[in-house]
Amino acid sequence: AQSVTQLGSHVSVSEGALVLLRCNYSSSVPPYLFWYVQYPNQGLQLLLKYTSAATLVKGINGFEAEFKKSETSFHLTKPSAHMSDAAEYFCAVSDGNQGGKLIFGQGTELSVKP
Amino acid sequence: DSGVTQTPKHLITATGQRVTLRCSPRSGDLSVYWYQQSLDQGLQFLIQYYNGEERAKGNILERFSAQQFPDLHSELNLSSLELGDSALYFCASSANTVNTEAFFGQGTRLTVV
Repeated sequence: AQSVTQLGSHVSVSEGALVLLRCNYSSSVPPYLFWYVQYPNQGLQLLLKYTSAATLVKGINGFEAEFKKSETSFHLTKPSAHMSDAAEYFCAVSDGNQGGKLIFGQGTELSVKP
Repeated sequence: DSGVTQTPKHLITATGQRVTLRCSPRSGDLSVYWYQQSLDQGLQFLIQYYNGEERAKGNILERFSAQQFPDLHSELNLSSLELGDSALYFCASSANTVNTEAFFGQGTRLTVV
């Protein structure tokens, strides 16, 4: 069975500081990995996805993530945090053999201090 | 705007009642997914339909059912509602079933009182 673990339910950074949100996955088959962001009272928006084409994936709003098979990780980073980045972030894994459903981590709430 | 439309946005109902949540997928998307988001359970996959047929089932209660119609819109029916069913219910759609990204609607917030 596939699973995702997000380390840290809450992360706080200062504006301009590096953002690092951690995600580890478990999958018996090559995984497809996603990061979604949820702003208050809104749905989930795709930030980026890994589908085996390249290990470093660039997404929207300056975010990127690196797939490391040896560490079973897919951490999300952004060099410089903006106040507008404050939101909840979800890492998810999908197995094409199961039809594309997403298994989500518990989420990490990012706060950005001025 | 993701292109996925969910109605209603908010729903308040009493225990024991039945409600129907509606989802219109993005134009051209054949696959529809339903997810439940609650504080204690997080985001849980409920059920998936592809081109009118049930494709995958997750942690969906027997009191819940869904269907996808010929025009590809989907409905999630929740019956004999309990306080614990209060949650945000998301619909998502994708073009097919093979790891294309899913686009999420704004959700329906269900409150059972």
